[in-house]
Amino acid sequence: DAKTTQPPSMDCAEGRAANLPCNHSTISGNEYVYWYRQIHSQGPQYIIHGLKNNETNEMASLIITEDRKSSTLILPHATLRDTAVYYCIVRVFSDYKLSFGAGTTVTVRA
Amino acid sequence: NAGVMQNPRHLVRRRGQEARLRCSPMKGHSHVYWYRQLPEEGLKFMVYLQKENIIDESGMPKERFSAEFPKEGPSILRIQQVVRGDSAAYFCASSDGTSGGYNEQFFGPGTRLTVL
Repeated sequence: DAKTTQPPSMDCAEGRAANLPCNHSTISGNEYVYWYRQIHSQGPQYIIHGLKNNETNEMASLIITEDRKSSTLILPHATLRDTAVYYCIVRVFSDYKLSFGAGTTVTVRA
Repeated sequence: NAGVMQNPRHLVRRRGQEARLRCSPMKGHSHVYWYRQLPEEGLKFMVYLQKENIIDESGMPKERFSAEFPKEGPSILRIQQVVRGDSAAYFCASSDGTSGGYNEQFFGPGTRLTVL
């Protein structure tokens, strides 16, 4: 019962912004949108999360649509080290179980 | 400020042997989570432990698998009588438990188990 839908892969040019979409049309009012990434052979790394407002930190920006049915993770200046699988996860604030789907494999090319 | 540590990083076992995977959480973290990633799949939750207590083991196979987080020392994920289907990457994460279930989980580098 996938709660999110992401494209399987996407390419991005080094130095350009990478916009990663995620659909979560069945999201509940108390569910947050989280993004993690997994660089090859490493453990997942937390990127950012949000409820309904747009969020920004040193790694990325998260844009959530007004109806909250979709969101976009923005890597403002992609580097080769951003090549990874990116996971969009929907979870209730109190839920400790992270459910990772297939994610989007992002390849940043020089 | 060491992160989550797991060892060994790679483990090879023959069918029927036992596998012991260790996880040392980040300093100050008392909550540990184990996840399994089968080849070409996403991570799946296995078990959630606090010091000396198993909070939720709903994702862990009922047989051959066990986990503990003793008062002293690392958390251990133990797999008895391993089979080829146990070959996977096992990740441990930890959190400080201060904000209910939200707490950001910090992941270790994983242990890659190969069963011959």
